[in-house]
Amino acid sequence: DTAVSQTPKYLVTQMGNDKSIKCEQNLGHDTMYWYKQDSKKFLKIMFSYNNKELIINETVPNRFSPKSPDKAHLNLHINSLELGDSAVYFCASSQDDEEETQYFGPGTRLLVL
Amino acid sequence: SQKIEQNSEALNIQEGKTATLTCNYTNYSPAYLQWYRQDPGRGPVFLLLIRENEKEKRKERLKVTFDTTLKQSLFHITASQPADSATYLCALYYGGSQGNLIFGKGTKLSVKP
Repeated sequence: DTAVSQTPKYLVTQMGNDKSIKCEQNLGHDTMYWYKQDSKKFLKIMFSYNNKELIINETVPNRFSPKSPDKAHLNLHINSLELGDSAVYFCASSQDDEEETQYFGPGTRLLVL
Repeated sequence: SQKIEQNSEALNIQEGKTATLTCNYTNYSPAYLQWYRQDPGRGPVFLLLIRENEKEKRKERLKVTFDTTLKQSLFHITASQPADSATYLCALYYGGSQGNLIFGKGTKLSVKP
């Protein structure tokens, strides 16, 4: 069984479109995250959710919005896609302990044309 | 702002040798430091965690050191194998009310047979 899963794995779309990426974890973790890994392989946190509450919101454009229907899911909605949004987006989860070891999903490769 | 540097983008070594990867950080010291492995097309996978009050941690062929005076962590793989070839990321955790895990850009290790 996959611990952290994401769909879709690949996403190719036009500028200006709105898209969503879904994430599910079956680890029973309390916190879920979204990361962006750009072409230079730099992994940067975008959001985290703990018990359905947003606790970290980095300097991310408000075109990006996380939605958590329940503790096991954290979806990422992106409005008005731009070329610079092209990247790999990783979902992750962690237990609510002091170590916060991250368990990552396989990634969603987004290409905006 | 906090800065993390993994000073080698790429490291090439011969099978059987010890690989040593470096992670340096600036400003204030993290509560702990984690090392992850990332294979092409996959999400990062947690390897080891070391706390600020620990000097060294071992797991099988892996060893991590943490020097808060030098603001540096070293990651060693002994008796390296071609299967160890991957990108290795260090991540620093600073705690606080909004815990934040900051990743380095990674070092791509290639182990030649």
